[in-house]
Amino acid sequence: DQQVKQNSPSLSVQEGRISILNCDYTNSMFDYFLWYKKYPAEGPTFLISISSIKDKNEDGRFTVFLNKSAKHLSLHIVPSQPGDSAVYFCAASAYRAGANSKLTFGKGITLSVRP
Amino acid sequence: KAGVTQTPRYLIKTRGQQVTLSCSPISGHRSVSWYQQTPGQGLQFLFEYFSETQRNKGNFPGRFSGRQFSNSRSEMNVSTLELGDSALYLCASSHLIGASTDTQYFGPGTRLTVL
Repeated sequence: DQQVKQNSPSLSVQEGRISILNCDYTNSMFDYFLWYKKYPAEGPTFLISISSIKDKNEDGRFTVFLNKSAKHLSLHIVPSQPGDSAVYFCAASAYRAGANSKLTFGKGITLSVRP
Repeated sequence: KAGVTQTPRYLIKTRGQQVTLSCSPISGHRSVSWYQQTPGQGLQFLFEYFSETQRNKGNFPGRFSGRQFSNSRSEMNVSTLELGDSALYLCASSHLIGASTDTQYFGPGTRLTVL
């Protein structure tokens, strides 16, 4: 049973445009969400996170939106740059359930930004 | 500040052997988690250690074990290797356990190939 789903395996956008990466979850115990970026042969790099008490968190070109009622979050990258081309993982944890250190990951989405 | 380091970076073993992987967390971080990444399953949580004690465990067989030392360094061991154990093994460290907004930082991983 996949509790964190990234249904689109890949996304291609033009440089300068907006990239929107989506993520859905099924476990209502999840209350902390993170996005990681991963290049080949490297470990995932933390990008941005959001707690369930918020519906938006912004950090430079990256914004994460959380819709708890729909159990959906999205990562917006504006403007997209060729260096953003990587695999993006959505992850979730359940702090109040005592499992905040256990991250449940989606399968990732490959973003390609065309020059 | 140095990041999470993992050794070795690459390893080739044969079925039935055992293997030990090592992880050194970021200085000051006391929590270490291990994940397995495979193409079909994505990143899956193995276990988490804090203050030399296993605090959380994922759904993996008993062939997978780990430990943490007093300096927070961690090792994971896989006994009686199977072909399906071929994967990228990632270690992540964080400062605290029980902090809802604590972020895990990943090492580059150890690529294990079982022949």
